[in-house]
Amino acid sequence: QQQVKQSPQSLIVQKGGIPIINCAYENTAFDYFPWYQQFPGKGPALLIAIRPDVSEKKEGRFTISFNKSAKQFSLHIMDSQPGDSATYFCAADFNDYKLSFGAGTTVTVRA
Amino acid sequence: EAGVTQSPTHLIKTRGQQATLRCSPISGHTSVYWYQQALGLGLQFLLWYDEGEERNRGNFPPRFSGRQFPNYSSELNVNALELEDSALYLCASSLARRGSEKLFFGSGTQLSVL
Repeated sequence: QQQVKQSPQSLIVQKGGIPIINCAYENTAFDYFPWYQQFPGKGPALLIAIRPDVSEKKEGRFTISFNKSAKQFSLHIMDSQPGDSATYFCAADFNDYKLSFGAGTTVTVRA
Repeated sequence: EAGVTQSPTHLIKTRGQQATLRCSPISGHTSVYWYQQALGLGLQFLLWYDEGEERNRGNFPPRFSGRQFPNYSSELNVNALELEDSALYLCASSLARRGSEKLFFGSGTQLSVL
């Protein structure tokens, strides 16, 4: 049972576009929401994370938007580049040391 | 600084056999996590070890087991392999007191069960 639902499964954008990945959760006890980036043949790497006390967090070209009442959060990649082509996973945790991951979104940025 | 290392990179087994996967965490990290990444399912939590003890376990049958050694390296054992065990098995390590806040993943072991 997927505790975090992620969409879309894949998306393609042109260079400079803004891919948006959405995630939704049910468990209101979740209090930590990271995003991981995975390149082919590599393990996932932490990209950015947010806690429910803020509605937005930016790190470079990556922005997380968080809507606590809707139990949704999303990742925006501003001014996307071909090097951003990867699989992105959202995740959630509530202090029991076992992150629940979404199914992943494969992002392709075309030059 | 060396990252999380996993071996072997690829492993091919047949149904009913046993598989052993190994993981070396980043130096200084005491927590090791195992995840299964099957196609289309994201990462599913398997096991968490810290200071040599199993601290938490995901919804997997008992034939998935493991251990953590005194040097904090870890081993994942999968007994009585089934076809649906074919997946990428990822190991991650962490230093933070709240382990899931920053996991460092290895590149994984691709297990194929024929």
